[in-house]
Amino acid sequence: GDSVTQMEGPVTLSEEAFLTINCTYTATGYPSLFWYVQYPGEGLQLLLKATKADDKGSNKGFEATYRKETTSFHLEKGSVQVSDSAVYFCALSDQRYNKLIFGAGTRLAVHP
Amino acid sequence: NAGVTQTPKFRILKIGQSMTLQCAQDMNHNYMYWYRQDPGMGLKLIYYSVGAGITDKGEVPNGYNVSRSTTEDFPLRLELAAPSQTSVYFCASRDGRIYGYTFGSGTRLTVV
Repeated sequence: GDSVTQMEGPVTLSEEAFLTINCTYTATGYPSLFWYVQYPGEGLQLLLKATKADDKGSNKGFEATYRKETTSFHLEKGSVQVSDSAVYFCALSDQRYNKLIFGAGTRLAVHP
Repeated sequence: NAGVTQTPKFRILKIGQSMTLQCAQDMNHNYMYWYRQDPGMGLKLIYYSVGAGITDKGEVPNGYNVSRSTTEDFPLRLELAAPSQTSVYFCASRDGRIYGYTFGSGTRLTVV
């Protein structure tokens, strides 16, 4: 079945450092890909999305490019802030059953 | 405020007890979902619904039941609670867009 694999955390960075969180997927067909963010004590929020190959999703300085040839959707940010500390989830849409399939999540901690 | 409302936010149950987790949305979304989040495991789909009167099992439905008598409400029932059901439960709804998910803030359940 469809699945998402993302790098294990926690990831600990200093403020203004470059961030990469790796995400790869296995899917039949052509799923849409997402990054969700979960701040402490809150539900998940959509961070960015890409609906077809070579699309680049971007939001709040975060970017990810849908790479069909490598089945990847890595999350990047050029300069992280303390306020970016959260858990980040990579996900794909199961088009047959109308549901999201999530990776295990990567906790990011940014210190001043 | 429009969104997904989950109650209660916290609950402790004894083994063998039953309870219902409430979920309500006021966005007139047809699609609704229940996920559980275990540490380091991402989110797993329990049940979902594509409209009032229609429900279907997700990846981990055992020990749970749902109903969808109205568009707004999608309660999750736990019968005979077990320690393995200790988790954080998220309800979500979606409009017609595959990326149009809105998540509730979660219910943290502990079974002792």
